[in-house]
Amino acid sequence: KAGVTQTPRYLIKTRGQQVTLSCSPISGHRSVSWYQQTPGQGLQFLFEYFSETQRNKGNFPGRFSGRQFSNSRSEMNVSTLELGDSALYLCASSLLRGDDEQYFGPGTRLTVT
Amino acid sequence: QQPVQSPQAVILREGEDAVINCSSSKALYSVHWYRQKHGEAPVFLMILLKGGEQKGHDKISASFNEKKQQSSLYLTASQLSYSGTYFCGFEGTSNSGYALNFGKGTSLLVTP
Repeated sequence: KAGVTQTPRYLIKTRGQQVTLSCSPISGHRSVSWYQQTPGQGLQFLFEYFSETQRNKGNFPGRFSGRQFSNSRSEMNVSTLELGDSALYLCASSLLRGDDEQYFGPGTRLTVT
Repeated sequence: QQPVQSPQAVILREGEDAVINCSSSKALYSVHWYRQKHGEAPVFLMILLKGGEQKGHDKISASFNEKKQQSSLYLTASQLSYSGTYFCGFEGTSNSGYALNFGKGTSLLVTP
């Protein structure tokens, strides 16, 4: 079974630009979560999507948004990039519920200059 | 609110034991443990649910004290492959999906 894939793996953007990251979950998984990982803060929850609906949201500004398609693939968008948005963005998929194990993708490394 | 993990870092010799602790100030529904090796994605270790149910690897053990909102991960007879950063994640809502708050991680290094 193929794992979680994320594209692109690396991105360099300029402050003020916007960016879209993509995540393809494991086949059959309907829940996709997004996390921001930085050295100082560890893993921080952004949001979770299930059946094309945002089911949960973390404490991030509205510049961070996402969506999920009917095939469970998900995208997250960050508008008006700031230097502090530089991080590793991880997505994770799971079968259905919050007590299922999550499978993480390799992440997208975003650098904002 | 982010869970508090301790210790921040630990160095072990192969065969030694370690305990990683995680605490929250909020009521919890479940606790999740993941390990991340350098340059790799986090990998699932265990889920502990309110009420005592556990899901995870046979070689990993953990506890969940619901009253104290604390969890501990027990690594016994450590192996070199145990090296990595361990994250605990707390789920504070009901079983309606993920809203995991992870701690900052505990870095574990096992030496020969």
